[in-house]
Amino acid sequence: DTEVTQTPKHLVMGMTNKKSLKCEQHMGHRAMYWYKQKAKKPPELMFVYSYEKLSINESVPSRFSPECPNSSLLNLHLHALQPEDSALYLCASSQDEGTGGVDGAFFGQGTRLTVV
Amino acid sequence: GEDVEQSLFLSVREGDSSVINCTYTDSSSTYLYWYKQEPGAGLQLLTYIFSNMDMKQDQRLTVLLNKKDKHLSLRIADTQTGDSAIYFCAVRTFSGAGSYQLTFGKGTKLSVIP
Repeated sequence: DTEVTQTPKHLVMGMTNKKSLKCEQHMGHRAMYWYKQKAKKPPELMFVYSYEKLSINESVPSRFSPECPNSSLLNLHLHALQPEDSALYLCASSQDEGTGGVDGAFFGQGTRLTVV
Repeated sequence: GEDVEQSLFLSVREGDSSVINCTYTDSSSTYLYWYKQEPGAGLQLLTYIFSNMDMKQDQRLTVLLNKKDKHLSLRIADTQTGDSAIYFCAVRTFSGAGSYQLTFGKGTKLSVIP
């Protein structure tokens, strides 16, 4: 199983809503990541978890709150988002914190988020 | 920090070879990757090359690395319409405190003409 599964695939939320994005992998990877991708742009790193501990936070606003309940799951809690936060949110995992390791990082299909 | 550059567009005829180029700035980069992204989808890891290699071949894909010039290329032989997508070059870079991250190029949109 080389899949990273993200739910939901699409999400529309108001600026006062609270929602969560979920990510799951069963490859035994110990590093998991959240990326944000705007249209026609490359992915931008948001957070890195290594062995269930947050190791990198790329100065992301506090309205995005990551959580890693166990080594297979990664959540991104959203609260009081702005319309400019609308984007594709990608989860990835890799064997180590190298956002690559030897085999590279495996990405999920993403959650298309629209903030209205 | 690392800077990764790619041309934005490439158009080829079906059956021809496609060559997508990438340049990077950090000579200490150890792993270099190619990802494919189809519309509305996530990134699919296509292949990678370690910095002590010059070439890697995997079926229709050939990766060439010129470490001296910091130039990476992806050749797709016998390009098919299903190869139409955006291709991202990504370089593993050291981000301090014993950790690394991927730095992506802006992506090359490959259009295959039937």
